[in-house]
Amino acid sequence: SAVISQKPSRDICQRGTSLTIQCQVDSQVTMMFWYRQQPGQSLTLIATANQGSEATYESGFVIDKFPISRPNLTFSTLTVSNMSPEDSSIYLCSVTGTGGEQYFGPGTRLTVT
Amino acid sequence: GDSVTQMEGPVTLSEEAFLTINCTYTATGYPSLFWYVQYPGEGLQLLLKATKADDKGSNKGFEATYRKETTSFHLEKGSVQVSDSAVYFCALSNTNAGKSTFGDGTTLTVKP
Repeated sequence: SAVISQKPSRDICQRGTSLTIQCQVDSQVTMMFWYRQQPGQSLTLIATANQGSEATYESGFVIDKFPISRPNLTFSTLTVSNMSPEDSSIYLCSVTGTGGEQYFGPGTRLTVT
Repeated sequence: GDSVTQMEGPVTLSEEAFLTINCTYTATGYPSLFWYVQYPGEGLQLLLKATKADDKGSNKGFEATYRKETTSFHLEKGSVQVSDSAVYFCALSNTNAGKSTFGDGTTLTVKP
């Protein structure tokens, strides 16, 4: 298993600003994942963050809106840029276990006003 | 592409009732299947998993059997408790890319 921490745990931001979310894992991992969970909905994968290469974004998500950094094997950041109320969600960081299962961080609850 | 379909919720049961939450999937190859649970105010955590056909995953009294012939992975529990009230997500992982595809989630409320 893996222990994952995220910062901040929650934030309230104004429209047009940006927020950077940090994710720290207690072990070295090749891939880290960023998901979005909108209120009352399921999880949607935003991107896969690989150390030493550009992140791979899923359909509907672009680097200009959600830039990702992956400076080492235990850390990643996701920035939500030029925010609008539609970006209000829980943002989750995860890593994959040996059996393909996902281990999630506690999430960052973002509210955009 | 891969997809997961869960029975629509919410589901409300009385304590000690039998629970079934249906989950079917569409995927190429031989995915691994998972159930995750999200208790109120908490993060997502793995409940159980199965990695090949006919495998049965179990944990905390919950069970699910990987049925390849019906592409299903239904979650069951013989006697639910109030503490089982949560949102349950069915998911699959189908590639070495490590990412998972999730169903929409089913909210379970158990009343005393």
